Amino acid sequence: DIQMTQSPSSLSASVGDRVTITCRASQGISNDLGWYQQKPGKAPKRLLYAASSLQSGVPSRFSGSGSGTEFTLTISSLQPEDFATYYCLQHNTYPLTFGGGTKVEIK
Amino acid sequence: EVQLLESGGGLVQPGGSLRLSCAASGFTFSSYTMSWVRQAPGRGLEWVSDISGSGVGTYFADSVKGRFTVSRDNSKNTLFLQMNSLRAGDTAIYYCVKASYGMDVWGRGTPVTVSS
Repeated sequence: DIQMTQSPSSLSASVGDRVTITCRASQGISNDLGWYQQKPGKAPKRLLYAASSLQSGVPSRFSGSGSGTEFTLTISSLQPEDFATYYCLQHNTYPLTFGGGTKVEIK
Repeated sequence: EVQLLESGGGLVQPGGSLRLSCAASGFTFSSYTMSWVRQAPGRGLEWVSDISGSGVGTYFADSVKGRFTVSRDNSKNTLFLQMNSLRAGDTAIYYCVKASYGMDVWGRGTPVTVSS
């Protein structure tokens, strides 16, 4: 199985900060990776697909990069509505696997 | 607008069975692989199962293999998850997801609680 190691597991940041979250795959997955945002009590929402393609309707402050085994989600200027938990997902090989999540909290 | 509406969740005793449904609308259902994903209380996301658009291809997480089956009725735009031999560890919110370059659109989820 492909393990997705996401870091950090949590972070505290202020509005306006630049935030970076990383996912590392245990083997190469090309760019078969998505990033998801989940707020408490809500279903996850996809932010990016194919590692770096922005989902329709998602603000441009969200961006993604990487290919193979190293991937990054960047929020260029954190907004109050961005405080949430973020997950990566690899869909290159079954079983599909998620990262452990990163909880972004208010500093 | 793509909409996914899960139903069928509830309280069930260990060893029991439950059948979840997901009614889909707003897209050509038969053209898309569909997924089930679950989230235990206070935990992360766990992929459970996929089924191809035709229904021929099915895939399962090891944690549910042999106990869960997935099916779909393309004439009724509905996805199903039959869950047998349920355990406490199956307690979670179960989400139905449309797959397109990974997991695209998610339903709101239906809660399943396995407890005596």
